[in-house]
Amino acid sequence: GAVVSQHPSRVICKSGTSVKIECRSLDFQATTMFWYRQFPKQSLMLMATSNEGSKATYEQGVEKDKFLINHASLTLSTLTVTSAHPEDSSFYICSALGAPSYNEQFFGPGTRLTVL
Amino acid sequence: GNSVTQMEGPVTLSEEAFLTINCTYTATGYPSLFWYVQYPGEGLQLLLKATKADDKGSNKGFEATYRKETTSFHLEKGSVQVSDSAVYFCALREGSASKIIFGSGTRLSIRP
Repeated sequence: GAVVSQHPSRVICKSGTSVKIECRSLDFQATTMFWYRQFPKQSLMLMATSNEGSKATYEQGVEKDKFLINHASLTLSTLTVTSAHPEDSSFYICSALGAPSYNEQFFGPGTRLTVL
Repeated sequence: GNSVTQMEGPVTLSEEAFLTINCTYTATGYPSLFWYVQYPGEGLQLLLKATKADDKGSNKGFEATYRKETTSFHLEKGSVQVSDSAVYFCALREGSASKIIFGSGTRLSIRP
């Protein structure tokens, strides 16, 4: 099956710094990637949808200047948390959709961000 | 708008017990329905899916039937194992590229 990786798997940073999380589709071309956020013991909340080569579409209530998403190639999307604060600490998960199966989203293993 | 409601956990069962996790949905169209599983420290994995009414999804002994009349997609397994301990998410999607809407998740713990 299709594989999606995320890097890093865990990151700890100081308040005020920026953190970049990568999401890669390893064996297929991802025309669309999704970024989710999961709080402890809660469900996944969609943050934004990105299509390769175009600007991401953010869900209501998600600050696009705080969570910068870039989908510059068919195998890579990045999420940058700018000027991170402790309340940004969370589990961030990406998923990808693309050829050959456009009917199933494949999820990455997630990145746990801790902001001190 | 579209939504998914699933039973709250945690659910604790003994090994070999019968499992049911209830899931109901609200949708304006004809969504595809999914169950995802998240093992500790890992991302989500698709467990099973159904794309139209009366379809039954099955995998690893788990089953769920798409019931349009009751707008439900309950997850069942006849005999659970300790290795089934995880968080289970019911979800729906309208259209192939549309976003997935998740339920709140149900944590399942199986005692040996």
